Amino acid sequence: GAVVSQHPSRVICKSGTSVKIECRSLDFQATTMFWYRQFPKQSLMLMATSNEGSKATYEQGVEKDKFLINHASLTLSTLTVTSAHPEDSSFYICSARGGTTPAEAFFGQGTRLTVV
Amino acid sequence: DAKTTQPTSMDCAEGRAANLPCNHSTISGNEYVYWYRQIHSQGPQYIIHGLKNNETNEMASLIITEDRKSSTLILPHATLRDTAVYYCIVRGLNQAGTALIFGKGTTLSVSS
Repeated sequence: GAVVSQHPSRVICKSGTSVKIECRSLDFQATTMFWYRQFPKQSLMLMATSNEGSKATYEQGVEKDKFLINHASLTLSTLTVTSAHPEDSSFYICSARGGTTPAEAFFGQGTRLTVV
Repeated sequence: DAKTTQPTSMDCAEGRAANLPCNHSTISGNEYVYWYRQIHSQGPQYIIHGLKNNETNEMASLIITEDRKSSTLILPHATLRDTAVYYCIVRGLNQAGTALIFGKGTTLSVSS
């Protein structure tokens, strides 16, 4: 199957700083990527849909100025958590559609963000 | 997406078959059934999908009832590494550009 690589896998940052998470599709072009957040013992919650060359579409309740998404190429989308606070600590996961039809999606390995 | 219902948790002995059910009584004719799983602290992993016929791959088998209102994911010989949360998702081809929406899934615990 198609490979989606996410980096870093784990990051610890201080309150008030910003953190950038990268999501790359390694062997296919992804016009659309998706960002999810997962809190302990909960399911994945969609944060935003990232389209190459255009602004991301955010789900209700997700602050677009806090979670900056850039999808500058067909193989790379980035999520920047700005002015991070402890409540932003979570597991962030990206996914991209690619490969065979029908609409399969492939996921990165996730990024564990801890804000101290 | 059509709504799906899965048991919260299931247990399975190592080496035995794990049969994970999913109800999707409101599924429409052009919607596929997808299964993903998430091992702890990893991203979800695609397992299998089907429309109406039973499907098998190297990971699992998918049995869809004739009326398509329910399905069963079968892991024929479960191992400890199959311990994970399993998600059953229904979606149509016309949703190809949209995100997968995850429910609570079934937590499968495989023990020796």
